[in-house]
Amino acid sequence: KAGVTQTPRYLIKTRGQQVTLSCSPISGHRSVSWYQQTPGQGLQFLFEYFSETQRNKGNFPGRFSGRQFSNSRSEMNVSTLELGDSALYLCASSLGTSGRFQETQYFGPGTRLLVL
Amino acid sequence: GESVGLHLPTLSVQEGDNSIINCAYSNSASDYFIWYKQESGKGPQFIIDIRSNMDKRQGQRVTVLLNKTVKHLSLQIAATQPGDSAVYFCAENIGAQSGGGADGLTFGKGTHLIIQP
Repeated sequence: KAGVTQTPRYLIKTRGQQVTLSCSPISGHRSVSWYQQTPGQGLQFLFEYFSETQRNKGNFPGRFSGRQFSNSRSEMNVSTLELGDSALYLCASSLGTSGRFQETQYFGPGTRLLVL
Repeated sequence: GESVGLHLPTLSVQEGDNSIINCAYSNSASDYFIWYKQESGKGPQFIIDIRSNMDKRQGQRVTVLLNKTVKHLSLQIAATQPGDSAVYFCAENIGAQSGGGADGLTFGKGTHLIIQP
């Protein structure tokens, strides 16, 4: 089975621009979560999508948004980029089935965003 | 000037020795814990998980121990190999929201494991 894929792998933008990142989950997985990884803050949860709906959200400003399509692919958008948005953006997929216990999340390789 | 960044604890072990990586978690309501390995330029890779109704779980060459009393988690790697060099993260989840399913994980700062030949 193919793993989680993310495009593009690298991106350079300037302050004020917007950016869209894409994530294709493992086949059969319906939940996609996004994380931001920086040297200062480590790995932080952005949001999770399931069945085209945002199900959970971390503590990031509204400039960070996302969506999920009917095939479970997800996109993340950051508007009005700031220097501090430079980071590795990771997506993770899981089955997303309901139940008492959590499921293993599988990560993609990430998109490295540099804001100049 | 001094650079500001994440200071990762480092653990240096001899090849073939056992490694023990420790993690303290913050939320007593957390009931699911995972260890991830992240190699340079890659995303985190799942190693092993444990639920709060267990205190030990074993995988291939790895063992995770959970001590809920002191909110401590450890990862033991047997017979450490050069390919084990990576940053290791523990992650916790405070429980499924209503309806269950995957929630956001809270990650620790990570430990950089260095293998000495």
